[in-house]
Amino acid sequence: QKEVEQNSGPLSVPEGAIASLNCTYSDRGSQSFFWYRQYSGKSPELIMFIYSNGDKEDGRFTAQLNKASQYVSLLIRDSQPSDSATYLCAVNNAGGTSYGKLTFGQGTILTVHP
Amino acid sequence: DGGITQSPKYLFRKEGQNVTLSCEQNLNHDAMYWYRQDPGQGLRLIYYSQIVNDFQKGDIAEGYSVSREKKESFPLTVTSAQKNPTAFYLCATETGVAEAFFGQGTRLTVV
Repeated sequence: QKEVEQNSGPLSVPEGAIASLNCTYSDRGSQSFFWYRQYSGKSPELIMFIYSNGDKEDGRFTAQLNKASQYVSLLIRDSQPSDSATYLCAVNNAGGTSYGKLTFGQGTILTVHP
Repeated sequence: DGGITQSPKYLFRKEGQNVTLSCEQNLNHDAMYWYRQDPGQGLRLIYYSQIVNDFQKGDIAEGYSVSREKKESFPLTVTSAQKNPTAFYLCATETGVAEAFFGQGTRLTVV
């Protein structure tokens, strides 16, 4: 069974702090990794993707991938109340095709309090 | 204005009734997907289609059917065989390079 695991939270951080969200996956053949943000009642929106080991930064967001440990994380620096949402980790293991064929974790609820 | 349009936004189904959820896209993307999300859960893949007139089952296809007669359209039918259809249904397309993009979703409730 191909699985993606996340801590469901909720994770609560103060405004301005760093929020750290973690995800592990079971399929060593997984090739691409995505972080989606989902506000309550809304559809997921892509915030980061990463394919290679190491860090990838985009503004306040940093995705980290460690394929040997089968671990991917998302760091949110200078957290804002508007970052309060559910963060979904998703993995593609379709071997370079069907990029939209994703396996999702259950999501981590993040709350940023003023 | 390119995008993915799902309709209706809210849908109510009676026991034993088939209902069809619409997904239309004008992004010229080849591949389209249907996901289901239950409260507090991640998304699970129902069906996907990479080209017109072809589609494949995802992880939870039982009780659902799809068609792909046009590149722009990928409707999902929730049949009476689906015993627990109440959920948030999301349609997505992919760019062919990387990530998937989602429509605004249809919230289906059995009454």
